[in-house]
Amino acid sequence: ERVMTQSPATLSVSLGERATLSCRASQSVSTNLAWYQQKPGQAPRLLIYGASTRATGIPARFSGSGSGTEFTLTISSLQSEDFAVYYCQQYNNWPPLTFGGGTKVEIK
Amino acid sequence: QVQLQESGPGLVRPSETLSLICTVSGGSISSYYLTWVRQPPGKGLEWIGYVYSNNYTNYNPSLMSRVSMSIDTSKSQFSLRLSSVTAADTAVYYCARGDGGSYPSYYLDVWGKGTTVTVSS
Repeated sequence: ERVMTQSPATLSVSLGERATLSCRASQSVSTNLAWYQQKPGQAPRLLIYGASTRATGIPARFSGSGSGTEFTLTISSLQSEDFAVYYCQQYNNWPPLTFGGGTKVEIK
Repeated sequence: QVQLQESGPGLVRPSETLSLICTVSGGSISSYYLTWVRQPPGKGLEWIGYVYSNNYTNYNPSLMSRVSMSIDTSKSQFSLRLSSVTAADTAVYYCARGDGGSYPSYYLDVWGKGTTVTVSS
């Protein structure tokens, strides 16, 4: 099973600043990685798949990068609606699909 | 656009079977991984498994002995059954559509709103 580790657990960022979230895989997952955003009381929403491809309707301020075991989600200029929990998920080796533990982006 | 909606009891007694249905509207359920994911209170996401349109299933090994899934294409519904539940199965249960492109492509592009299931006597 691929273990996904996200850091930091909590990221405090000011409006308009850049946020950089990390996700590490216990073994290579190539570029078979997705990112999701989850707001309180809501279902997760797909942001990125294939490590760097934005899903339909996702603003350009969200970008993903990385391959192998190290991945990054960058939010170039944080908007108020971006404060949420972000999860990475690998789909290179399954079952099972595995998710990271999440990074909470909060207002500084 | 495609929408998913979970339904089922919000309270299940310990040792009994949790049963949920996901109804899909606005699109086909063929050629997708029809997936269940759960989230215990205050915790992260756990993949439970999927059923494909040909009724093929694939489950999380950690739950395999207690899980079953099925599909009813005539009703655009798929279902989850989890037996012998305990308090540890208390969670929000989501159904989701997995993009079933060429293996291993499997990310979840459409989600239901989720339903809270509490296991308690």
